[in-house]
Amino acid sequence: KNQVEQSPQSLIILEGKNCTLQCNYTVSPFSNLRWYKQDTGRGPVSLTIMTFSENTKSNGRYTATLDADTKQSSLHITASQLSDSASYICVVSAVDSNYQLIWGAGTKLIIKP
Amino acid sequence: DGGITQSPKYLFRKEGQNVTLSCEQNLNHDAMYWYRQDPGQGLRLIYYSQIVNDFQKGDIAEGYSVSREKKESFPLTVTSAQKNPTAFYLCATRRSRGSGNTIYFGEGSWLTVV
Repeated sequence: KNQVEQSPQSLIILEGKNCTLQCNYTVSPFSNLRWYKQDTGRGPVSLTIMTFSENTKSNGRYTATLDADTKQSSLHITASQLSDSASYICVVSAVDSNYQLIWGAGTKLIIKP
Repeated sequence: DGGITQSPKYLFRKEGQNVTLSCEQNLNHDAMYWYRQDPGQGLRLIYYSQIVNDFQKGDIAEGYSVSREKKESFPLTVTSAQKNPTAFYLCATRRSRGSGNTIYFGEGSWLTVV
């Protein structure tokens, strides 16, 4: 069964600190993996997209990694800011007739001043 | 201003009522989607449409209905058959169904049963 699991479920860190969020998936055949940021009560916004051949991709203070062999991805946030407080969702796309998207439950990140 | 417009932002439904959530886009995207989000859970697909006048059931279509009469519009009706409709509903679009294309989301609609 295609699944995406994220950890931790929630995380609280102090402003200025770094953090890493994890995503493990069992989706096959794999097409790509995306990270989305969702502010409370808003729609998700895409941060990065990674294909099978990509190991690392950065978007400002956000850096995503992908290990296609172990089926793991991480999202590293550097020098956190209060505006980083949000849910971060991992989404994996499967190669099927409709390019099915499998969504993780997200990690809720809270940045404290 | 380009984008995806969902309305209303907040909606209250009485028991036994049908309600319709609006989703309009001016991105000229072919594919449109409706998702439901409950606290602590991932997004779940209700319905999707790849082209005008065609739509497909997602994972949790029971109690919902949609139409796609125009490329720009994909309204979702929550019927009285949906026993637990209180949730956050998200409309999304994609340029085409190709897996490399990013999905863009509207701002969401909160539906509460009173």
